Amino acid sequence: DTAVSQTPKYLVTQMGNDKSIKCEQNLGHDTMYWYKQDSKKFLKIMFSYNNKELIINETVPNRFSPKSPDKAHLNLHINSLELGDSAVYFCASSQGLRDRAGYTFGSGTRLTVV
Amino acid sequence: EDQVTQSPEALRLQEGESSSLNCSYTVSGLRGLFWYRQDPGKGPEFLFTLYSAGEEKEKERLKATLTKKESFLHITAPKPEDSATYLCAGGPVRSTGFQKLVFGTGTRLLVSP
Repeated sequence: DTAVSQTPKYLVTQMGNDKSIKCEQNLGHDTMYWYKQDSKKFLKIMFSYNNKELIINETVPNRFSPKSPDKAHLNLHINSLELGDSAVYFCASSQGLRDRAGYTFGSGTRLTVV
Repeated sequence: EDQVTQSPEALRLQEGESSSLNCSYTVSGLRGLFWYRQDPGKGPEFLFTLYSAGEEKEKERLKATLTKKESFLHITAPKPEDSATYLCAGGPVRSTGFQKLVFGTGTRLLVSP
């Protein structure tokens, strides 16, 4: 039973399209995150939600819009996709400050914009 | 600016050849130093958390240590299955009180039989 699951695993789309990535966690965690990993393996935080409330919003183009319908789900919608959006997007969850086990990551969504 | 730097970028070892990976950090309000392992096509997998200088954690052939400025991941007698990218991350506390991990770019380890 997967703890943090993301769909789809692969996404190939054309420039200008709109796409969504879904994430669900069954760990009962309060906090969920979206991270972007570029071609050099650098992981950078994009957003963080705690109990459906947005708490971290890094410098991300407003074409990216996260949505958390409940604390177990965090989706990422991307409008007007650009070539530079190609990357691997990871969803993660944790119990916030009290989680000494760190984050639990999903297996990632590889987005390729052509 | 919060920053985590890892070295070397890549490391090639023979099976049984011990070595160390380095992680240096400048993260304001650091509350934890995390090590993760990432296999190709997968998400990072948690290994260790270190909270104070002098602390050490061990798991099989891996031992993580922490000083005031850096952390080391020591790999003793590695096996080919230890081949992966090892990521280090610092966890600052923000005004919201919640943790945000700042990651280094990782060390790609390849262990040859």
